[in-house]
Order: sequence, then structure tokens, then C-alpha cells
Amino acid sequence: GAVVSQHPSRVICKSGTSVKIECRSLDFQATTMFWYRQFPKKSLMLMATSNEGSKATYEQGVEKDKFLINHASLTLSTLTVTSAHPEDSSFYICSASLQPRNTEAFFGQGTRLTVV
Amino acid sequence: DAKTTQPTSMDCAEGRAANLPCNHSTISGNEYVYWYRQIHSQGPQYIIHGLKNNETNEMASLIITEDRKSSTLILPHATLRDTAVYYCILRRRETSGSRLTFGEGTQLTVNP
Repeated sequence: GAVVSQHPSRVICKSGTSVKIECRSLDFQATTMFWYRQFPKKSLMLMATSNEGSKATYEQGVEKDKFLINHASLTLSTLTVTSAHPEDSSFYICSASLQPRNTEAFFGQGTRLTVV
Repeated sequence: DAKTTQPTSMDCAEGRAANLPCNHSTISGNEYVYWYRQIHSQGPQYIIHGLKNNETNEMASLIITEDRKSSTLILPHATLRDTAVYYCILRRRETSGSRLTFGEGTQLTVNP
């Protein structure tokens, strides 16, 4: 199957700093990617839809100025957590499909963010 | 998308079949049933999907009832590596493959 890669897999940052997470589709082009967040012992929650060449679409309750998304190419989307706080500590996961309406979603391995 | 209901947890002996149920009594005619699983601290992995016919692939079988109000994922010979949270998700045909609404899923523990 197609491969989606995230980097870094783990990151620790200080409160008030910003952290960038990369999501790459390694062997296919993705015009749309999705970002999810998962708190401990909870399910995945969709944060936003990343659209290549245009603005991201955010789910209700997700602050667009806090979670900056850039999708500058067909193989790369980035999520930047700005002015991070301990409550932003979470598992962030991206996904993409081979085509917008394709049947199967491919997920990255996730990024564990810890804000201290 | 319609809601699904799954048991919180299940246990299975290694080598035996694991049967994971999912109720989706309000499913719409254009909604597919998808199954994903998430091994601890990893991203989810696609398993199988179906509309109304039973499906089988190298990983699992999916049995959908005739009225489509419930389904069962079957892992024919569970191994320790199948221990994971299994998510039953409904997705409309026109929705992007990656835009998924995850419920709480079933924690399957395969015991030696």
C-alpha cells in the first residue's frame, strides 16, 4: 500500500515555543491530507483538512491561528503548533488517500508531542 | 455520518478466531462499513470495507447483515500482533477516503 511518513515521531518542547510536524506521501501525490489529534486513551479527532495550494479547513473548535497548516506541494503538508502549552501535548496523526474519493486512507505513524 | 456502537473491549486466545461486532442501525444506503485498527502508539491501519456483500482479504473477513444494521469483523487466526483497538467506521461514497469519524473502538487483546 501507499506510504505516509511523519516527522518527527517524538518531540519535546518548552511552553511558548512552536513545533512543526511534517507529513509526507512518499510514493503518491495527495491533493488533500488530514490532521488528527489523539489524547491518551481517547479516539482520534479530526482537526483539519489540508488542501494543496489553498487554505486549510478547520473543524469546529480548532484554532486556526494556533495550529497552522501549510500544504505547499502535492507530497508535503506541515502542521505547526504555535505557542505550545502543556495542554497541547498529544499524539498528532496525518492521513492521505491516493485520490480524493479513493476507498482507503493511509496514515502516518504519528507524532508524540510533549510540551513541558 | 451515522454512528456505530462497538463493545469497549474483547479478549481472544491466540490461534482462535476473533469476532468483533459493530452495530450501525441508522446506516444510510450510500454508507460503506470500514474497519481500521490502531496498534498502540501507531497510526491507524486499514483492514477492510464493504457495502452490503460479505468481503474477505488477506487480513480479515467482513460479514454484513442483510438489513445492514450490523456487521462483524473476523480475524480467522488471531496472533499476539493483532492486539489493537479496532474501529468500525461508516463513510459515505462521496466523502474523501481520509476524512473519517472515529468512535471509541474495541480494544482487542489476544492472549497467549
